[in-house]
Amino acid sequence: GIQVEQSPPDLILQEGANSTLRCNFSDSVNNLQWFHQNPWGQLINLFYIPSGTKQNGRLSATTVATERYSLLYISSSQTTDSGVYFCAVDRGSSASKIIFGSGTRLSIRP
Amino acid sequence: GAVVSQHPSRVICKSGTSVKIECRSLDFQATTMFWYRQFPKKSLMLMATSNEGSKATYEQGVEKDKFLINHASLTLSTLTVTSAHPEDSSFYICSARFQNRVSEAFFGQGTRLTVV
Repeated sequence: GIQVEQSPPDLILQEGANSTLRCNFSDSVNNLQWFHQNPWGQLINLFYIPSGTKQNGRLSATTVATERYSLLYISSSQTTDSGVYFCAVDRGSSASKIIFGSGTRLSIRP
Repeated sequence: GAVVSQHPSRVICKSGTSVKIECRSLDFQATTMFWYRQFPKKSLMLMATSNEGSKATYEQGVEKDKFLINHASLTLSTLTVTSAHPEDSSFYICSARFQNRVSEAFFGQGTRLTVV
C-alpha cells in the first residue's frame, strides 16, 4: 500500500514565525488533503490539493505530484495554529482507502 | 463544505456492554464511508470501509465480530463496538466523500469511547 511520511514530527516555534511542513508519499495518488486536528479531535479540512498551489489566508500548500511530495506553509504563526497537522492521500476512486501520514505536532509559543 | 455528523461525541460504558456510533452525511449521499481509530498521540488508523448495501471491508487485524459496521442507507453508517473492554477505549472517527465523485473527504467530529 501507499506509504505516507510527514516531517518534522514535532515543531516548536515562537508566535510570528513561519513554518514548512512536508508530506512524502510512496506512489501515485489522485487525492491529497491537509488537515488540522484541533484539541477536541476534530479534523479541519485545510486544503484539497492533488496538484498545484493553493492559498488561504496565512496558509498555503503546494503539491508536486510527479515528485510525490506536498508542502504546507504557515506564515506569521499564531498560538491558535497549534495542534497536529495531517496529510492524507488516496488513489482517487470513491472507495479508495485514505491513508494518513503520522502527522506533525506544531506548538506555537506566545 | 459538506458536513459529516458523528454521534455521540463522547460515551462512557461498562465492560461487556455494546456501544453504537452513528455517522451521517448531512447534505450529500455517500456510497462509501470509512471508520478510523486513533490512539493518543498517534495517527488515524483505518479500521474498515463501509459500503452501502453490502458488507464492510475490514483491515487486517480488525475483528469484524467486535466492530460491527452497518451502512443501511446512503447517508448513514453505524459502528457498534460489541462486548466492549477497556482496551477498546479510543477515539473513533468516520469519513465520507461524495457518491461517485473523486474529491475531498470529510470527517465527523469523532467519538471518544471510554470503557470502564
